[in-house]
Formats: sequence, structure tokens, C-alpha cells
Amino acid sequence: DGGITQSPKYLFRKEGQNVTLSCEQNLNHDAMYWYRQDPGQGLRLIYYSQIVNDFQKGDIAEGYSVSREKKESFPLTVTSAQKNPTAFYLCASSLYSYNNEQFFGPGTRLTVL
Amino acid sequence: QQPVQSPQAVILREGEDAVINCSSSKALYSVHWYRQKHGEAPVFLMILLKGGEQKGHDKISASFNEKKQQSSLYLTASQLSYSGTYFCAVGGSQGNLIFGKGTKLSVKP
Repeated sequence: DGGITQSPKYLFRKEGQNVTLSCEQNLNHDAMYWYRQDPGQGLRLIYYSQIVNDFQKGDIAEGYSVSREKKESFPLTVTSAQKNPTAFYLCASSLYSYNNEQFFGPGTRLTVL
Repeated sequence: QQPVQSPQAVILREGEDAVINCSSSKALYSVHWYRQKHGEAPVFLMILLKGGEQKGHDKISASFNEKKQQSSLYLTASQLSYSGTYFCAVGGSQGNLIFGKGTKLSVKP
């Protein structure tokens, strides 16, 4: 079955630690995205990538970093510079970046202790 | 640039209808609608494109008024499975999506 996987589902981190969230898709999609969701809020874009080895900052990129070395993979690193990292993180992909439905992974819930 | 959704929340009885509105302060070229159940990922419902092309979900319909920069999602004869938070999203200048804050829909038996 084609789809998007994210791991882990739940993640706990101590303050000051970097952590990497995994996102893999086997849909052969060109574009991939990372969103952050806080309670009662919509989805806010962190980073997106329209093609391998290229990515752009979204609205809230500070304290986050990404890489896109393979078409299937788009890992997100939450660094210690991110002031309030506790949130629900969603990865998505789409066939192309314009006017295409986005398919979402199941999400990773990150809690900073 | 974030689209504004209304109402923020609505409670229905099974079989009742609902309308969720989405408005933007800038020109719209496309509007996407998603539904998210609690603790789950958003699921695509439909996309509306400038010029009138429409795709998506056959149980739920939507309109797109380019002049008013608005879109509305229509849920008729609601079912329990319609419960969730509905998000509209508008296309950004670089192919990204900008999501509204969502409308929480609760359908009661």
C-alpha cells in the first residue's frame, strides 16, 4: 500500500536536546511538507520541498532544519533553538506542489519535558 | 494571509445541514478543504480551482466565489461520521498551502 509514514508516533525530549522526526513516502510524490499543529490552531507550515536537494522555509522555520537527499524522505530536526517545541507534527506530500491534494502522515506528537 | 473560517464550532443533530465558510483577504486561485478527526491526520475532501473546476468528495459539496474571495462547504443530511474539524486552505505564491484555524463540527445522534 502506498502512503506516508512518520515515526515515532510519540516522542519525549529533554530541554536542550535536538531530535529528528522521520517522514517517508512511497507515493512517488515530488513535493513534501512539514506542518506544526497546536491545540485549537490550524496547520502552520515549517518547511517544504518541491524537489530533491531543494527546500524552502515556511512561516515558522526558526529552530527547525530539514534535508531532502532522497525523493522518498524528508526528515525534520527540531533543534534546541526552538523555544516551544511541544506540538503535533504532520508531514505531507503531493504529486506536484501547485493545486494538488496533500496526503498526510499519521503525525508525531512531541513533548518536551 | 491566513484564511478566516466561520463558524468556529457547530453542533448538529444527525440529518441536519451545515455550512462552513472560508474567506481570504487576497485573491483566491484555489481552495482546499480537509477534515481532521481528533488525534488523526487531516484527510483531503476537495479542491476548488479558479475557473470553476471542482474535484473531490461526492457526499459533500462546495462553492467558490472568486469575486468575494470566499468558499463555502456544504454538508447535507449530516451523519455521525461527519464529526471532526474542517479546515480550508488557500494556495500560497510558491505552491504551498495556508490553512485556516478550522471549524469544529459535532454531530449528535
